[in-house]
Amino acid sequence: GESVGLHLPTLSVQEGDNSIINCAYSNSASDYFIWYKQESGKGPQFIIDIRSNMDKRQGQRVTVLLNKTVKHLSLQIAATQPGDSAVYFCAENYGQNFVFGPGTRLSVLP
Amino acid sequence: NAGVTQTPKFQVLKTGQSMTLQCAQDMNHNSMYWYRQDPGMGLRLIYYSASEGTTDKGEVPNGYNVSRLNKREFSLRLESAAPSQTSVYFCASKHYYNEQFFGPGTRLTVL
Repeated sequence: GESVGLHLPTLSVQEGDNSIINCAYSNSASDYFIWYKQESGKGPQFIIDIRSNMDKRQGQRVTVLLNKTVKHLSLQIAATQPGDSAVYFCAENYGQNFVFGPGTRLSVLP
Repeated sequence: NAGVTQTPKFQVLKTGQSMTLQCAQDMNHNSMYWYRQDPGMGLRLIYYSASEGTTDKGEVPNGYNVSRLNKREFSLRLESAAPSQTSVYFCASKHYYNEQFFGPGTRLTVL
């Protein structure tokens, strides 16, 4: 079946550095992709999304890149802050189906 | 707007007991979802409702039932709880071709 996976389960970065979190997806029919942030004890929170007709989208301090050729998605966080420490999920969507990866835990070191 | 709300926040059940998890959204969204989240695993879809009056099974529906009471409310029922249903349950909603909004979760332990 289709699945969304993450290359690294944990990522530690120095405060102020840039973070890159990667994700692979397997369903070429997926046309919508989302990154979520989940803090401990809370529900997932929307960060940024991208549709399949785009290859890059920028938000405030975050950028999502989509490479449909290799079915790869990445989230870049600029100038990582302590408040960015959380688990980050990618999700792919086709129709009513959302498939989530297991998540990457981002730890920001002082 | 409160967004997506879930009750209760925590629950402990004994094996065989039943309970209903409640979810409501005030964003006038058409679609609503129930997920479970287990350690080291991604969110897994239990059931969803694409619109008021319809429900469909997701990836892990066994042991659960749902009711789309109206456009705002979508409940999840465990008829006979089992330890394997110990998990964190999230409700989500969305409007057409947009992202899902999640509730704060219900942490369920089945002894």
